[in-house]
Amino acid sequence: EDQVTQSPEALRLQEGESSSLNCSYTVSGLRGLFWYRQDPGKGPEFLFTLYSAGEEKEKERLKATLTKKESFLHITAPKPEDSATYLCAVPHKGDQTGANNLFFGTGTRLTVIP
Amino acid sequence: EAQVTQNPRYLITVTGKKLTVTCSQNMNHEYMSWYRQDPGLGLRQIYYSMNVEVTDKGDVPEGYKVSRKEKRNFPLILESPSPNQTSLYFCASSFRTGHVNTEAFFGQGTRLTVV
Repeated sequence: EDQVTQSPEALRLQEGESSSLNCSYTVSGLRGLFWYRQDPGKGPEFLFTLYSAGEEKEKERLKATLTKKESFLHITAPKPEDSATYLCAVPHKGDQTGANNLFFGTGTRLTVIP
Repeated sequence: EAQVTQNPRYLITVTGKKLTVTCSQNMNHEYMSWYRQDPGLGLRQIYYSMNVEVTDKGDVPEGYKVSRKEKRNFPLILESPSPNQTSLYFCASSFRTGHVNTEAFFGQGTRLTVV
Protein backbone atom coordinates (compact mmCIF):
# COMPACT_ATOMS: atom_id res chain seq x y z
CA GLU A 1 0.00 0.00 0.00
CA ASP A 2 1.25 3.46 -0.87
CA GLN A 3 2.42 5.46 2.11
CA VAL A 4 3.76 8.96 2.62
CA THR A 5 5.17 9.83 6.03
CA GLN A 6 6.43 13.25 7.01
CA SER A 7 8.62 14.11 9.96
CA PRO A 8 8.76 15.86 12.25
CA GLU A 9 5.12 16.77 12.77
CA ALA A 10 6.13 20.18 14.07
CA LEU A 11 9.38 22.11 14.08
CA ARG A 12 10.29 25.36 15.81
CA LEU A 13 13.38 27.18 14.58
CA GLN A 14 15.06 30.40 15.48
CA GLU A 15 15.41 32.81 12.60
CA GLY A 16 18.56 31.86 10.71
CA GLU A 17 18.68 28.31 12.11
CA SER A 18 18.83 25.92 9.15
CA SER A 19 17.12 22.52 9.22
CA SER A 20 15.53 19.82 7.07
CA LEU A 21 12.09 18.30 6.76
CA ASN A 22 11.68 14.68 5.74
CA CYS A 23 9.19 12.91 3.51
CA SER A 24 9.54 9.15 3.20
CA TYR A 25 7.45 7.24 0.73
CA THR A 26 6.66 3.72 -0.33
CA VAL A 27 5.10 3.66 -3.76
CA SER A 28 5.83 1.52 -6.74
CA GLY A 29 6.95 3.34 -9.84
CA LEU A 30 7.27 6.88 -8.54
CA ARG A 31 5.98 9.39 -11.06
CA GLY A 32 6.85 12.56 -9.29
CA LEU A 33 7.05 13.80 -5.72
CA PHE A 34 5.50 17.16 -4.95
CA TRP A 35 6.17 19.69 -2.21
CA TYR A 36 3.51 22.22 -1.25
CA ARG A 37 3.36 25.01 1.28
CA GLN A 38 0.12 25.69 3.14
CA ASP A 39 -0.58 28.80 5.20
CA PRO A 40 -3.33 28.67 7.84
CA GLY A 41 -6.79 28.88 6.28
CA LYS A 42 -5.46 28.77 2.73
CA GLY A 43 -5.06 26.22 -0.01
CA PRO A 44 -1.74 24.46 -0.64
CA GLU A 45 0.67 26.35 -2.87
CA PHE A 46 2.99 24.46 -5.19
CA LEU A 47 6.72 24.58 -4.47
CA PHE A 48 8.57 21.79 -6.31
CA THR A 49 8.22 18.62 -8.32
CA LEU A 50 10.99 16.01 -8.30
CA TYR A 51 10.89 13.13 -10.75
CA SER A 52 14.01 11.04 -10.25
CA ALA A 53 16.48 10.08 -7.53
CA GLY A 54 19.35 12.55 -7.31
CA GLU A 55 17.28 15.44 -8.54
CA GLU A 56 17.46 18.74 -6.65
CA LYS A 57 15.49 21.97 -6.98
CA GLU A 58 15.89 25.31 -5.24
CA LYS A 59 13.74 28.32 -4.58
CA GLU A 60 15.00 31.14 -2.38
CA ARG A 61 15.83 29.56 1.02
CA LEU A 62 14.33 26.17 0.12
CA LYS A 63 16.00 23.22 -1.55
CA ALA A 64 14.28 19.91 -2.24
CA THR A 65 16.15 16.67 -2.84
CA LEU A 66 15.01 13.17 -3.75
CA THR A 67 16.36 9.68 -3.14
CA LYS A 68 14.76 6.35 -3.94
CA LYS A 69 12.99 6.24 -0.58
CA GLU A 70 12.69 9.79 0.68
CA SER A 71 12.76 13.48 -0.04
CA PHE A 72 14.16 16.30 2.03
CA LEU A 73 13.16 19.91 2.12
CA HIS A 74 16.15 21.88 3.33
CA ILE A 75 15.52 25.33 4.75
CA THR A 76 18.57 27.58 4.91
CA ALA A 77 18.59 30.60 7.23
CA PRO A 78 14.79 30.64 7.59
CA LYS A 79 12.80 33.79 8.19
CA PRO A 80 9.51 34.18 10.08
CA GLU A 81 7.66 34.39 6.75
CA ASP A 82 8.71 30.80 6.07
CA SER A 83 6.39 29.68 8.87
CA ALA A 84 3.77 27.39 7.31
CA THR A 85 2.84 23.74 6.99
CA TYR A 86 4.88 21.92 4.36
CA LEU A 87 3.18 19.03 2.60
CA CYS A 88 4.62 16.37 0.37
CA ALA A 89 2.54 14.29 -2.02
CA VAL A 90 2.94 11.50 -4.54
CA PRO A 91 0.66 10.41 -7.37
CA HIS A 92 -1.81 7.90 -6.06
CA LYS A 93 -1.44 4.19 -6.63
CA GLY A 94 -2.96 2.97 -9.84
CA ASP A 95 -2.70 6.37 -11.47
CA GLN A 96 -1.51 5.47 -14.96
CA THR A 97 -3.26 8.11 -16.97
CA GLY A 98 -1.33 11.28 -16.29
CA ALA A 99 -3.97 12.39 -13.86
CA ASN A 100 -2.99 14.14 -10.70
CA ASN A 101 -4.53 12.04 -7.97
CA LEU A 102 -2.26 13.08 -5.16
CA PHE A 103 -1.69 11.15 -1.94
CA PHE A 104 -0.59 13.62 0.72
CA GLY A 105 1.43 13.26 3.86
CA THR A 106 0.08 14.94 7.00
CA GLY A 107 2.65 17.70 6.82
CA THR A 108 5.28 19.39 8.97
CA ARG A 109 4.18 22.55 10.74
CA LEU A 110 7.15 24.92 10.73
CA THR A 111 7.37 27.91 13.05
CA VAL A 112 10.27 30.34 12.66
CA ILE A 113 10.78 32.57 15.68
CA PRO A 114 12.26 36.06 15.17
CA GLU B 1 -4.98 36.16 -12.79
CA ALA B 2 -4.82 32.35 -12.87
CA GLN B 3 -6.90 30.98 -10.06
CA VAL B 4 -9.25 28.36 -8.67
CA THR B 5 -12.30 29.92 -7.05
CA GLN B 6 -14.45 28.16 -4.49
CA ASN B 7 -17.73 29.36 -3.04
CA PRO B 8 -18.78 29.73 -0.36
CA ARG B 9 -15.69 30.11 1.83
CA TYR B 10 -17.64 29.30 5.00
CA LEU B 11 -20.87 27.39 5.42
CA ILE B 12 -22.83 26.19 8.41
CA THR B 13 -25.73 23.90 7.64
CA VAL B 14 -27.99 21.36 9.28
CA THR B 15 -27.98 17.61 8.85
CA GLY B 16 -29.82 16.49 5.74
CA LYS B 17 -30.06 19.82 3.96
CA LYS B 18 -28.64 19.46 0.46
CA LEU B 19 -25.81 21.81 -0.44
CA THR B 20 -23.45 22.54 -3.31
CA VAL B 21 -19.95 23.94 -3.14
CA THR B 22 -18.89 25.49 -6.42
CA CYS B 23 -15.42 25.40 -7.96
CA SER B 24 -14.29 27.25 -11.05
CA GLN B 25 -10.87 27.54 -12.72
CA ASN B 26 -9.73 29.93 -15.43
CA MET B 27 -6.62 28.08 -16.63
CA ASN B 28 -8.27 25.73 -19.15
CA HIS B 29 -7.17 22.73 -17.08
CA GLU B 30 -8.51 19.32 -18.06
CA TYR B 31 -8.11 17.82 -14.61
CA MET B 32 -10.02 18.87 -11.50
CA SER B 33 -10.46 17.25 -8.11
CA TRP B 34 -11.88 17.70 -4.63
CA TYR B 35 -10.09 17.04 -1.35
CA ARG B 36 -11.10 17.24 2.26
CA GLN B 37 -8.65 18.11 5.01
CA ASP B 38 -9.07 16.94 8.57
CA PRO B 39 -6.70 17.29 11.54
CA GLY B 40 -4.34 14.36 11.79
CA LEU B 41 -5.54 12.87 8.50
CA GLY B 42 -4.23 15.38 6.02
CA LEU B 43 -5.71 15.93 2.58
CA ARG B 44 -7.77 13.08 1.18
CA GLN B 45 -9.20 12.94 -2.29
CA ILE B 46 -12.97 12.74 -2.69
CA TYR B 47 -13.60 12.78 -6.45
CA TYR B 48 -11.73 13.75 -9.55
CA SER B 49 -12.46 14.52 -13.19
CA MET B 50 -10.17 13.93 -16.13
CA ASN B 51 -12.26 16.05 -18.48
CA VAL B 52 -15.83 17.11 -19.26
CA GLU B 53 -18.33 14.36 -18.44
CA VAL B 54 -15.56 12.12 -17.03
CA THR B 55 -15.52 11.72 -13.25
CA ASP B 56 -14.30 9.04 -10.85
CA LYS B 57 -14.10 8.27 -7.15
CA GLY B 58 -11.14 9.16 -5.00
CA ASP B 59 -10.35 7.68 -1.59
CA VAL B 60 -13.34 9.00 0.38
CA PRO B 61 -16.29 9.44 -2.01
CA GLU B 62 -19.13 8.26 0.27
CA GLY B 63 -21.79 10.92 0.77
CA TYR B 64 -20.61 13.14 -2.09
CA LYS B 65 -21.50 13.68 -5.73
CA VAL B 66 -19.84 15.68 -8.47
CA SER B 67 -20.56 16.73 -12.02
CA ARG B 68 -18.43 18.11 -14.84
CA LYS B 69 -20.68 19.64 -17.47
CA GLU B 70 -18.23 22.39 -18.39
CA LYS B 71 -14.45 22.34 -18.43
CA ARG B 72 -14.07 25.23 -15.99
CA ASN B 73 -16.58 24.12 -13.32
CA PHE B 74 -16.57 21.16 -10.95
CA PRO B 75 -19.21 21.46 -8.21
CA LEU B 76 -19.25 19.25 -5.12
CA ILE B 77 -22.71 18.15 -4.01
CA LEU B 78 -23.69 16.86 -0.58
CA GLU B 79 -27.17 15.40 -1.00
CA SER B 80 -27.75 14.75 2.70
CA PRO B 81 -24.91 16.21 4.78
CA SER B 82 -24.01 14.60 8.07
CA PRO B 83 -21.83 15.89 10.94
CA ASN B 84 -18.93 13.64 9.87
CA GLN B 85 -18.69 15.72 6.71
CA THR B 86 -17.67 18.75 8.74
CA SER B 87 -14.30 19.54 7.25
CA LEU B 88 -12.17 21.92 5.20
CA TYR B 89 -12.68 21.29 1.48
CA PHE B 90 -10.32 22.15 -1.36
CA CYS B 91 -10.79 22.10 -5.08
CA ALA B 92 -7.73 21.65 -7.29
CA SER B 93 -7.00 21.74 -11.00
CA SER B 94 -4.07 20.95 -13.27
CA PHE B 95 -3.12 20.18 -16.83
CA ARG B 96 -3.18 16.57 -17.85
CA THR B 97 -0.07 15.76 -19.86
CA GLY B 98 0.25 12.10 -20.66
CA HIS B 99 2.05 10.24 -17.90
CA VAL B 100 3.75 13.29 -16.43
CA ASN B 101 2.05 14.69 -13.38
CA THR B 102 2.03 18.46 -13.25
CA GLU B 103 1.55 20.92 -10.43
CA ALA B 104 -1.93 21.31 -9.04
CA PHE B 105 -3.48 24.69 -8.25
CA PHE B 106 -5.72 24.78 -5.21
CA GLY B 107 -8.62 26.98 -4.29
CA GLN B 108 -8.81 28.92 -1.02
CA GLY B 109 -10.92 26.31 0.67
CA THR B 110 -14.47 25.98 2.00
CA ARG B 111 -14.93 25.41 5.69
CA LEU B 112 -18.11 23.39 6.15
CA THR B 113 -19.82 22.75 9.47
CA VAL B 114 -22.77 20.36 9.63
CA VAL B 115 -24.77 20.52 12.86
